[in-house]
Amino acid sequence: KQEVTQIPAALSVPEGENLVLNCSFTDSAIYNLQWFRQDPGKGLTSLLLIQSSQREQTSGRLNASLDKSSGRSTLYIAASQPGDSATYLCAAFDNYGQNFVFGPGTRLSVLP
Amino acid sequence: DTGVSQNPRHKITKRGQNVTFRCDPISEHNRLYWYRQTLGQGPEFLTYFQNEAQLEKSRLLSDRFSAERPKGSFSTLEIQRTEQGDSAMYLCASSRGQVGEQYFGPGTRLTVT
Repeated sequence: KQEVTQIPAALSVPEGENLVLNCSFTDSAIYNLQWFRQDPGKGLTSLLLIQSSQREQTSGRLNASLDKSSGRSTLYIAASQPGDSATYLCAAFDNYGQNFVFGPGTRLSVLP
Repeated sequence: DTGVSQNPRHKITKRGQNVTFRCDPISEHNRLYWYRQTLGQGPEFLTYFQNEAQLEKSRLLSDRFSAERPKGSFSTLEIQRTEQGDSAMYLCASSRGQVGEQYFGPGTRLTVT
């Protein structure tokens, strides 16, 4: 059974700092991995999708990498801003269950 | 592309009552997923449809829960005889194909008193 974990659970950084969020999954047989952002009380906003054949994806200040062999993905945020404050979730698409398995999220606070 | 919509946004009900939620996916998306999210946790998969066929159901989906997608467009999730433990955010997502990017709706927050 696929399990997804995220470290750290919470992170607080000053504005302008570069940061890395970590996601680990137990079963490397995944179709893809998706990173989301969730603001309090809201739905999820898709940030980046990495297919299993890809190593990384970039969008603006965000870069996500995928290493299936080690069961890890990272989300790199450059030059963080207060507007980046939110919970960041990763989800691995499980080949067997045909559905996304989510991690618990990392709650990010960027201080002005 | 008008995005995924969900109604109602909030629902307060008394224990034992039935509730129904609706999800309208992005029009060209053939896959539709339902998730449940409790405070401080990531979403948990409940069920998904490919067109009108319900292909997978989680063990979380007890016999009090039923989902439909009658014409392969919108979907409904019904909870019968609600319990306090059903209080959660119910999220709907849609995607194009099996491995497409998932787009989420704003969710329906259910409170069972």
